[in-house]
Amino acid sequence: EAQVTQNPRYLITVTGKKLTVTCSQNMNHEYMSWYRQDPGLGLRQIYYSMNVEVTDKGDVPEGYKVSRKEKRNFPLILESPSPNQTSLYFCASSLSTAGLAGYNEQFFGPGTRLTVL
Amino acid sequence: GENVEQHPSTLSVQEGDSAVIKCTYSDSASNYFPWYKQELGKRPQLIIDIRSNVGEKKDQRIAVTLNKTAKHFSLHITETQPEDSAVYFCAARGRSSASKIIFGSGTRLSIRP
Repeated sequence: EAQVTQNPRYLITVTGKKLTVTCSQNMNHEYMSWYRQDPGLGLRQIYYSMNVEVTDKGDVPEGYKVSRKEKRNFPLILESPSPNQTSLYFCASSLSTAGLAGYNEQFFGPGTRLTVL
Repeated sequence: GENVEQHPSTLSVQEGDSAVIKCTYSDSASNYFPWYKQELGKRPQLIIDIRSNVGEKKDQRIAVTLNKTAKHFSLHITETQPEDSAVYFCAARGRSSASKIIFGSGTRLSIRP
């Protein structure tokens, strides 16, 4: 089944304790992205990746890191989480965003609800 | 910076009536405008999209219109049904930054029986 998976789905942690949220897609998509969703603010892009070893900042990258060593995986890393990073996080992927093929539906993962105490 | 504004933030309509959600965007070079529906506790899913070379697109009870001059686009849902209750997000992709997709803040649509 074609899908985007995220782990963990729920996480409660404490300030300063490094964590990683994994994201994996099995659709051979080039483009992957991380969003955070907060009430009244919609979906805000954290980081995105056009392809392997190519990543770039979105609108709210502070406090986050990503890597894209393989096409299928795009982990989100919080080196030193803080309470203002408590949010619902979504990973998404699409076939491509380049040129005529750029009009592609984004497929979202199930979400990870993170609470930082 | 690039921005997408979405209105209203909440909308309640009687079952069977129509619902309209409006968005405006700031980047005049934007060329792709998707709409996503997010049911309670679920992930966002694409319901319809429109490219900048088209003024209107329809898919059964859902339609989207685009006014490039005014830089706004709208989602129209006709003959609303209970399963249309959800949060709807508009988005715009800027040509100047082809990989960045800016989302609106969302509209919570409730269908009254």
